[in-house]
Amino acid sequence: AQRVTQPEKLLSVFKGAPVELKCNYSYSGSPELFWYVQYSRQRLQLLLRHISRESIKGFTADLNKGETSFHLKKPFAQEEDSAMYYCALGEVTGGGNKLTFGTGTQLKVEL
Amino acid sequence: KAGVTQTPRYLIKTRGQQVTLSCSPISGHRSVSWYQQTPGQGLQFLFEYFSETQRNKGNFPGRFSGRQFSNSRSEMNVSTLELGDSALYLCASSLAPPAGLETQYFGPGTRLLVL
Repeated sequence: AQRVTQPEKLLSVFKGAPVELKCNYSYSGSPELFWYVQYSRQRLQLLLRHISRESIKGFTADLNKGETSFHLKKPFAQEEDSAMYYCALGEVTGGGNKLTFGTGTQLKVEL
Repeated sequence: KAGVTQTPRYLIKTRGQQVTLSCSPISGHRSVSWYQQTPGQGLQFLFEYFSETQRNKGNFPGRFSGRQFSNSRSEMNVSTLELGDSALYLCASSLAPPAGLETQYFGPGTRLLVL
C-alpha cells in the first residue's frame, strides 16, 4: 500500500538558514509527488509538484526514486515560511484521483 | 475565480445524530474529493466524485457517504455520529482530465465537533 512518511513533526530554523523538510514514500507504481502548505488560518494550498520542476517561493524538491524521497529545500529561510507542510503522493486509482498525505511538518522560522 | 467553498464552517452535533456537509467546487471543476483531518490520523482520503459518480473511496465505514450533483456541487453525510468523527472535513476540487492527476484545490473546511 502507498505510504508517505514525514519524520519530523516540528522543524525549527533561524532566518537565513537552509531548510530541508524530509519526505519518503512507498509506492509500487510511478509516483506523482506534491508538497502542500498551510499557513496560519489559511486553507491548504499547493506549493509545488514534482512534474512541473518549478521553484515556488524559493522552494525546490527533487524526486529521488532510488531513495524514494521527495525532500523540500530552500537555501535561506524567511519568517513568512513558517507554516505546516504536507508531502502527498497522488495516484490514479479506480478511474479516479487520490492523494495520500504524510503527517506534516511544522516549520518554525525564528528571528 | 472564486475558490472552493464549504458550508457550514462549524458544526456541533451529539453522538448518534447525522450530519450533512456541503462543498461547491471552483467553477469548471468536475472532480470533488473529501478528506478528514484529525490530530491523530492527519489527512485521510474519504472519497472522490466525478460526473455524479463515486470513483474512489478510502477506508472509512459505510456511515460516511457522499454524492455529487449535476452542477458538480457535492455533499457528504455522516450517520450515527461517534465522538471520533470530530474532525476538520476538507473538500477539494480539480479539473478532470481523461487521465493523469490534476492539482487539487482545497476549501477552508468544515470543523465538526461531536459531543
